[in-house]
Amino acid sequence: NAGVTQTPKFRVLKTGQSMTLLCAQDMNHEYMYWYRQDPGMGLRLIHYSVGEGTTAKGEVPDGYNVSRLKKQNFLLGLESAAPSQTSVYFCASSYYPSGGYNEQFFGPGTRLTVL
Amino acid sequence: KNQVEQSPQSLIILEGKNCTLQCNYTVSPFSNLRWYKQDTGRGPVSLTIMTFSENTKSNGRYTATLDADTKQSSLHITASQLSDSASYICVVSLGGATNKLIFGTGTLLAVQP
Repeated sequence: NAGVTQTPKFRVLKTGQSMTLLCAQDMNHEYMYWYRQDPGMGLRLIHYSVGEGTTAKGEVPDGYNVSRLKKQNFLLGLESAAPSQTSVYFCASSYYPSGGYNEQFFGPGTRLTVL
Repeated sequence: KNQVEQSPQSLIILEGKNCTLQCNYTVSPFSNLRWYKQDTGRGPVSLTIMTFSENTKSNGRYTATLDADTKQSSLHITASQLSDSASYICVVSLGGATNKLIFGTGTLLAVQP
């Protein structure tokens, strides 16, 4: 069981470039989430998915798009990267909604720098 | 405004000593409160989850308490080890249909030999 994995671990982009972050989970979880973590701030929810083929906006969705074509994968895309998107990105998954009495499992993170 | 505040921001203790981290929240409606441990360069890992009816919950050397009346929680670490060096994040879950998590900014703990 690998749990939640993220690809890549590190990436440096120039302003205006695009990229996709990949999250994969092997726990058969229905719910998946993308967060960003910035210094001095708590994790903030970007987008989430309640099942294959569905996505929804979180707290800070602007500048990001997501797709959940397969249950085990959740992709986060940046179409035109901006320096404000420099952050550490975490993917997470859970059996039930995040607010329920259940555990949310996090991936190791992707550190993205936009120059 | 839904908020989770943690104190102190950072803490240095000697190996073997105990410590207590604090969390105050103003969140409504409240569903449950979680403590996560985040090692440097890693994702958060759940330590405990408590509903409003649970006053205390333990996970090895970690003991979390919850006072739903005063909206305060604490995480007590007993007999600290070097491996306890990490950021400890308090997270409160909103009840109702939103199923939203409100994250604190964390307390950075350094355990020195």
